Amino acid sequence: GAVVSQHPSRVICKSGTSVKIECRSLDFQATTMFWYRQFPKQSLMLMATSNEGSKATYEQGVEKDKFLINHASLTLSTLTVTSAHPEDSSFYICSASWGTDSGYTFGSGTRLTVV
Amino acid sequence: GQQLNQSPQSMFIQEGEDVSMNCTSSSIFNTWLWYKQDPGEGPVLLIALYKAGELTSNGRLTAQFGITRKDSFLNISASIPSDVGIYFCAGRGGSNYKLTFGKGTLLTVNP
Repeated sequence: GAVVSQHPSRVICKSGTSVKIECRSLDFQATTMFWYRQFPKQSLMLMATSNEGSKATYEQGVEKDKFLINHASLTLSTLTVTSAHPEDSSFYICSASWGTDSGYTFGSGTRLTVV
Repeated sequence: GQQLNQSPQSMFIQEGEDVSMNCTSSSIFNTWLWYKQDPGEGPVLLIALYKAGELTSNGRLTAQFGITRKDSFLNISASIPSDVGIYFCAGRGGSNYKLTFGKGTLLTVNP
């Protein structure tokens, strides 16, 4: 149980275009979803927290207009990287939680390359 | 903000050896989690700890939630080649659900 599906696993896009990444909880309702960014050989950096039906809460230094997060249902959250630039190239990972003490299941990640 | 110090940064061991890694925090956590991440994949939960002093096992893995609530360790016994990967500790404190991650321990197991 507690499976989180993230799609796509890899995407290459041209500079200036937008990319959408989906995160779905397959067998549970995710009250909260988190989006992380991970640079090579580094730890996970939290970008934002989203609760179903409300606006996402962004971490300090993360541009909300560039990284648009939508958590329209209890099973789906999306991250859209708008007007992508090469410096946005990274590994993006979502995770989902179903309650206060749940184990925070992670998706398999999306490798974004902006050329 | 909260910070986690995870050590060691990397380990090179022989198959069959036991491994120990730990995390310490500057502040109290309510939950400690241990994850393993393979290259190009998301982290996979290994063990979750919810009470101070709690000692939990998952196969060859054992983890403990420190009594002070500021530290946790993970032990792996009789390591095998598939144990290779990056191990992260993560803690949750306060009233929000956000996790703070350690910087990871890269484990290499020589067959």
